[in-house]
Amino acid sequence: DTEVTQTPKHLVMGMTNKKSLKCEQHMGHRAMYWYKQKAKKPPELMFVYSYEKLSINESVPSRFSPECPNSSLLNLHLHALQPEDSALYLCASSQFDTDTGELFFGEGSRLTVL
Amino acid sequence: GDSVTQMEGPVTLSEEAFLTINCTYTATGYPSLFWYVQYPGEGLQLLLKATKADDKGSNKGFEATYRKETTSFHLEKGSVQVSDSAVYFCALSALTGGGADGLTFGKGTHLIIQP
Repeated sequence: DTEVTQTPKHLVMGMTNKKSLKCEQHMGHRAMYWYKQKAKKPPELMFVYSYEKLSINESVPSRFSPECPNSSLLNLHLHALQPEDSALYLCASSQFDTDTGELFFGEGSRLTVL
Repeated sequence: GDSVTQMEGPVTLSEEAFLTINCTYTATGYPSLFWYVQYPGEGLQLLLKATKADDKGSNKGFEATYRKETTSFHLEKGSVQVSDSAVYFCALSALTGGGADGLTFGKGTHLIIQP
């Protein structure tokens, strides 16, 4: 199994809603990532978890709250978002002890904030 | 810091034309280099990779060679198809021997192949 699975694929939410994005991998990878991608732009790194601990937070607003319940799961909790947060949210994973640094990406969750 | 520069496009070609997308990088040490492809409405897929100088990555008719002397990793394909229409990202990882800090991406090249 070489897949990273993200749910939901599409999400529409109001600015007062609370929702979550979920990501799952069963490749035994111990590093997991959240990226944000706006149209026609490269992905921007948001968070990195290494061995289930938050290792990188790229100064992301607190309305985005990541969680890594175990080595296979990664969540992104969303609260009080703004319309400019509408984007494709990509989850990725990688081996921690790797010579290549290759990341495996999911299909993404497309978020629309009204 | 590390950086990747690639031609942004859009690049429009006719079917069966030869493709080159240029990519150059700046990094300390010996990074790994990647080309990822993103089809409309989808996530990123690894197209090919190279982990050391003079390595050639290849997949689905695409090739790229890691040139340390010119700090380049240009993507080539001899005969493109309409199905190759997508956005192509050149990326690097400066990590060697473990760790996790993500990839440095170029801005992406939108490729359009016309029948």
